[in-house]
Amino acid sequence: EAGVAQSPRYKIIEKRQSVAFWCNPISGHATLYWYQQILGQGPKLLIQFQNNGVVDDSQLPKDRFSAERLKGVDSTLKIQPAKLEDSAVYLCASSQNGATNEKLFFGSGTQLSVL
Amino acid sequence: AQSVTQLDSQVPVFEEAPVELRCNYSSSVSVYLFWYVQYPNQGLQLLLKYLSGSTLVKSINGFEAEFNKSQTSFHLRKPSVHISDTAEYFCAVSRYSSASKIIFGSGTRLSIRP
Repeated sequence: EAGVAQSPRYKIIEKRQSVAFWCNPISGHATLYWYQQILGQGPKLLIQFQNNGVVDDSQLPKDRFSAERLKGVDSTLKIQPAKLEDSAVYLCASSQNGATNEKLFFGSGTQLSVL
Repeated sequence: AQSVTQLDSQVPVFEEAPVELRCNYSSSVSVYLFWYVQYPNQGLQLLLKYLSGSTLVKSINGFEAEFNKSQTSFHLRKPSVHISDTAEYFCAVSRYSSASKIIFGSGTRLSIRP
């Protein structure tokens, strides 16, 4: 089966610029997650979607980050404007139903460098 | 809220030696526990998980982890490592709740020396 697809693989921008990441989850997976992984740290959940509704966005910096999952399939995460501290790997994951005992399937991530 | 601590950021071992990667969690309620692995240039993938029942769980590539409720630990072990086990390993925890999210530790980088 096809895995979770993410693009781009790498992105370099200057601070105050905007950037967008795209994710296509595994077909049929209702739940989609965006994680931020800063160097030396574990993945931190930014936002969780169940179909096209938001389940948890408590750690999303809403003044600069936004995400959408139109039609409950693929998703876009945007940062505007970017700050130096946003440099990280942005991981997309999906799971079948969002149950807390389910396996997460991760994409390869987008490595963002903000200069 | 739950949390997870991985005490070792890096663990170097020789090939064919045993290894233990430590993970401790905190939670006031029952939890599910996971180990995810990230091989170089790949995404994270599930290695093994504890949901309920037998406290010893095993992966297909020789790793095992034991849930110890009294010590709130879920350490990952392998009796003999191979070069191909070189990766970063993340311990994760979630609660028995539909509102819970999965919390990841900071990771342990396992490097294997020939």
